[in-house]
Amino acid sequence: DIQMTQSPSTLSASVGDRVTITCRASQSLTNWLAWYQQKPGKAPRLLIYKASILEGGVPSRFSGSGSGTEFTLTISSLQPDDFATYYCQEYNGPWTFGQGTKVEIK
Amino acid sequence: QVQLVESGGGVVQPGRSLRLSCVASGFTFSNYAMHWVRQAPGRWPEWVAFISVDGGNYYYADSVRGRFTIARDNFKNTLSLQMNSLRPEDAATYYCVREARSDFYRSHFDHWGQGALVTVSS
Repeated sequence: DIQMTQSPSTLSASVGDRVTITCRASQSLTNWLAWYQQKPGKAPRLLIYKASILEGGVPSRFSGSGSGTEFTLTISSLQPDDFATYYCQEYNGPWTFGQGTKVEIK
Repeated sequence: QVQLVESGGGVVQPGRSLRLSCVASGFTFSNYAMHWVRQAPGRWPEWVAFISVDGGNYYYADSVRGRFTIARDNFKNTLSLQMNSLRPEDAATYYCVREARSDFYRSHFDHWGQGALVTVSS
């Protein structure tokens, strides 16, 4: 099975900060990777798919990059609504999720 | 708009069964592959089961294979998950999830239901 490792597990940041989350896969995914945002008590929400394609309605401050085994999610200027947990997910194999990165207020 | 509404969650004793349902609306259900994904408290999401657009293909996570059965009714726009021989580690919120259409053989998840909570406890 494919293993997905996110870092960091927790990130403390302030409004306006540039934030980067990394996701590493145990084998190449080409670019079959998605990012989701989840807030407490809610279902995950799709942000990015195919590593870098922004889902409709998602603010342009979110961006994704990478290919193969290393990927990043960047929030260019953190907004109050962005404090949440973020998950990467591969779909080259059995739809495995990373363990999550919680973005909290510094 | 796309809506996925789960029902059937609840408290069940270990070894017993439970059936989850999901009613889909706002899109042509028969055109989309569907999944169940679960998330235990404080944990990351875990994919559970997949079913193809016509119901002819299905896959399961190793942790549930042989105990859970995914099914769909394209006339009633419903997805179901029959869960047998439940274990304490099956306790989670179960989400009904739509797989985005793609030219690739697999795709990401573009819509999620609100979830159904399953508690397994004696």
